[in-house]
Parts: sequence; C-alpha cells; structure tokens
Amino acid sequence: EVQLLESGGGLVQPGKSLRLSCVGSGFSFHSSAMSWVRQAPGKGLEWVSAITGSGAGNQYADSVKGRFIISRDNSKNTVYLQMNRLRAEDTAVYYCAKDRSSGSSLGLDVWGQGTTVTVSS
Amino acid sequence: EIQLTQTPSSLSASVGDTVTITCRASQVIHHYMGWFQQRPGEAPKSLIYSASTLENGVPSKFSGRGSGTDFTLTISSLQPEDSATYYCQQYSTYPLSFGGGTKVQI
Repeated sequence: EVQLLESGGGLVQPGKSLRLSCVGSGFSFHSSAMSWVRQAPGKGLEWVSAITGSGAGNQYADSVKGRFIISRDNSKNTVYLQMNRLRAEDTAVYYCAKDRSSGSSLGLDVWGQGTTVTVSS
Repeated sequence: EIQLTQTPSSLSASVGDTVTITCRASQVIHHYMGWFQQRPGEAPKSLIYSASTLENGVPSKFSGRGSGTDFTLTISSLQPEDSATYYCQQYSTYPLSFGGGTKVQI
C-alpha cells in the first residue's frame, strides 16, 4: 500500500523556522516527484513546492519563494520542507503528495494525512 | 500563472441526482487536469487525472470531460457519502494551481 506520513508541524512564532518531513512507503520513492500543498483554515488548496525524483529540480509558489526550501533524501524515502521567516499567513495544514512523474508533473495521485503548522506569537 | 475558475462554489442536491461541476482555465492546458474529493477533516483524494481517466478504485459514477480550457466533473446517482468539496487542478505548467472548490451537499 502506498503511504505518505508527514511530521514536524507545530506552533511557531512569526519570523522563526520549522522543517516538515514526509516519509513515503509502498512505491519507488526515487522515481516519484513530490509536492507540498497547503490548506489554510477554512480555505482551499494551495500548491507550495515540488521536487523531481532525483532532487535535481524544484519549483516554488511565489508566496513562499525565497523563504521555503524543498529537499529530499532518497536513501530515507523522505522529502522535506524547510520553512524560514514564517508569517501568520503560512498557518495551514501541509500535505505532501506523490506525483505520477519523476520530473514535470503528471498529476498528484497519493496524499498524506497532513501536518498542522500554526504561526502565532 | 494559470488561474482556474471553478463553478459553482456550492450546490445542494438530493440522493440519486446527477450534478456537474465546471472548471475553466485561463489558458490552454490540453488534458492536464485532475479532480480531487475532500471530505471534512480528511486529506484530498484523487478521482480523475488526464481530464477523464478514473483513478483505480474510484466508482464509475464519477466522470470527467474536457480539453483545452474547459473541463467538467459529473457525479451521478448521488449518495450521502458524496458530500464533500471537489477541486480541479491543472498540472500543465508550474506553478501548479487549484480551482476554488465546489462544496456539494446532499
């Protein structure tokens, strides 16, 4: 069974940093691009970032570019989202999602259950 | 950046009804469209990709159509468990983007 498990969420002060992790199992992790998608309370889905299967390529939404960094360790079947200079508007449930492609997206087929990030003083 | 306009934002229907949700892209995305279902308190679940291909295990009551800029998701024979918010998503170009969602109440 294909599974994704996120962790690392929590309460953090504005301006601080947090690192999210997502461990994948049941599929060829290095062959799958991965994305992070977030959902603010009561709002819709917002794509945040993506990384290719090899880790050589990445993409970011304008709202997080320059503050967030996506990376992966294929030896640990894990993708990370390093979130720096956090703002109140980054408060959301963060989902990791598996792509059908190893490179440019062919759609997100499996999602984790999400981890909650709250940015507040 | 490709904008997706999803309509309606909400709808109410009865058991056994058929409903259609529309998603319009701000530029041509060919067939690079997916649809997701999100029940309250749950993660999104992929229903359809490549505009019309059903995910394994998804019942055939869900169907997708379209190409270019205009797409639809149709749900037939509505049941209470279909109560959810449905999102379209384009993956033609980064940044990936989602429609605003359609809340379906049965």
